[in-house]
Amino acid sequence: EAEVAQSPRYKITEKSQAVAFWCDPISGHATLYWYRQILGQGPELLVQFQDESVVDDSQLPKDRFSAERLKGVDSTLKIQPAELGDSAMYLCASSGDIYNEQFFGPGTRLTVL
Amino acid sequence: QQPVQSPQAVILREGEDAVINCSSSKALYSVHWYRQKHGEAPVFLMILLKGGEQKGHDKISASFNEKKQQSSLYLTASQLSYSGTYFCGTGLHGSSNTGKLIFGQGTTLQVKP
Repeated sequence: EAEVAQSPRYKITEKSQAVAFWCDPISGHATLYWYRQILGQGPELLVQFQDESVVDDSQLPKDRFSAERLKGVDSTLKIQPAELGDSAMYLCASSGDIYNEQFFGPGTRLTVL
Repeated sequence: QQPVQSPQAVILREGEDAVINCSSSKALYSVHWYRQKHGEAPVFLMILLKGGEQKGHDKISASFNEKKQQSSLYLTASQLSYSGTYFCGTGLHGSSNTGKLIFGQGTTLQVKP
């Protein structure tokens, strides 16, 4: 069964350092989402791609976060510099159709010390 | 714009029923339901698009009211495997062309033997 892949699964970093997360969506899925989930809360959309284009990044803190999906397949989310408040689970999801289900990857648990 | 879920938490015995509600102050384009177990990715349960719609599989079903501002998830004859946190993800009419979802804060369900 096809799955969304993410790496790393866990990342511990010190504040002011740079971190990067990688996501490989299900093959053929044009839509890719990056979410941030703080413990005890629901996922919050950071950025949405349709192929290689950004569709929505209204909640992305652009002073420190960046995301790219250069060839419309896999994607990278970067934080520079990391802050203590960035500690959270970062989830990637993909969908073959924006009106249907989103398939989530296992996530990257980020801890900023 | 975040939907409100109720209750925040519920504890059941195996075989008991539960209802989880998701309410929005605005009419919705869609409602998605997901279940997330601790430390794992959210898993899709179902999507509702039409006012008055009801759908389900096995012993988990959901409804979407006529005004499309409230959805309920019904779990009947609960099993231990139903334990987890349930999220509704709502699509607003303004974002119907992007598929953007806003998730509720979650309802934690614990099923005991």
